[in-house]
Amino acid sequence: GENVEQHPSTLSVQEGDSAVIKCTYSDSASNYFPWYKQELGKRPQLIIDIRSNVGEKKDQRIAVTLNKTAKHFSLHITETQPEDSAVYFCAASKRSYIPTFGRGTSLIVHP
Amino acid sequence: GAVVSQHPSRVICKSGTSVKIECRSLDFQATTMFWYRQFPKKSLMLMATSNEGSKATYEQGVEKDKFLINHASLTLSTLTVTSAHPEDSSFYICSAPDRERDGYTFGSGTRLTVV
Repeated sequence: GENVEQHPSTLSVQEGDSAVIKCTYSDSASNYFPWYKQELGKRPQLIIDIRSNVGEKKDQRIAVTLNKTAKHFSLHITETQPEDSAVYFCAASKRSYIPTFGRGTSLIVHP
Repeated sequence: GAVVSQHPSRVICKSGTSVKIECRSLDFQATTMFWYRQFPKKSLMLMATSNEGSKATYEQGVEKDKFLINHASLTLSTLTVTSAHPEDSSFYICSAPDRERDGYTFGSGTRLTVV
């Protein structure tokens, strides 16, 4: 089955800095890579996703890059703000298959 | 977009009792529902996959007799924690495929505390 590794487990940055979270996956057939933000006690919220036919996608301060050859994808958050503090999960799946989640990254943005 | 309503959001129960958690798809038909368990500061651990009209598929190590899953209709899936013990205390969350976006939508989660 799919195996998703996510690093780092904890990331602490100063407000205004950039944050990068990296994930690798094992199944070359995976073609959908969503990123979720989860605040304490709440449901994961989709913040951005990318499909295997695209190398990069950007939405305001958030961007995701995908390297299919190396089987890794990354989340980039620029100009971080305290409200970006949360746990971020990456996931990988094949179309309509069960997503496999990474272990999560706790992002802390210090004012 | 697709919305999954999950209830209750919080429940406290005594050891030995059973608790039912419901997930309803509000504006779409969820033929499949994923049930996850999440420990504090940990990732989502898939417990089982329910499919409307058929038996749920449980992940390795998950007791099917303890975590009863029913998916009797296209809009409702339930997870019943039977004979609950303190170690069953956790955050349980459901998720359904969002066919419109070809992604997944989550319920709001249930915080179960067994005392």
